[in-house]
Amino acid sequence: SQKIEQNSEALNIQEGKTATLTCNYTNYSPAYLQWYRQDPGRGPVFLLLIRENEKEKRKERLKVTFDTTLKQSLFHITASQPADSATYLCALDDYKLSFGAGTTVTVRA
Amino acid sequence: GAVVSQHPSRVICKSGTSVKIECRSLDFQATTMFWYRQFPKQSLMLMATSNEGSKATYEQGVEKDKFLINHASLTLSTLTVTSAHPEDSSFYICSAGQGSSYNEQFFGPGTRLTVL
Repeated sequence: SQKIEQNSEALNIQEGKTATLTCNYTNYSPAYLQWYRQDPGRGPVFLLLIRENEKEKRKERLKVTFDTTLKQSLFHITASQPADSATYLCALDDYKLSFGAGTTVTVRA
Repeated sequence: GAVVSQHPSRVICKSGTSVKIECRSLDFQATTMFWYRQFPKQSLMLMATSNEGSKATYEQGVEKDKFLINHASLTLSTLTVTSAHPEDSSFYICSAGQGSSYNEQFFGPGTRLTVL
């Protein structure tokens, strides 16, 4: 069966450190993978999209990698700030978006 | 970026009644809109894909007669939960895209439905 797993439900880190989130999937062949941010009681907000032929993508303090052999994507938030505290969702795109359950990141000041 | 709105943001209704949720793309024309449902601490689950002027495509396990979707224009899609029951209580989120899902989707703020 198809499955998307995000490493842990919650991640607590100190301000200034790098947060690394993992998204693993099975029985999918996504052409694209997307990462979203979701705040409590709100809809997701698009952050980054990475294609299957791209190894890495960056946007400001965010970096995403995509390894189709390992069937894994890593999402990094560098120099984290308390404002980065939110739930981060990975979504696989193989004709429709299928979401992971998310990892809630809390950045302590 | 593009803005998608939803109305209402919260609704409480009695069991057996029907509830309509609107999803609007405010500054762009959305050829495709998607409806998702999210239960607490769970992932968003796609319910249906709606294309302007045609019937919605429902995901497996989603009752099309219970969740009526109408995409009457390029800026408006509606989801009607008919004969709502407590188990329908959830967070309903729409998104809009320009073309296939192989592009950024713009999500609405969501509608919290509580059925008593």
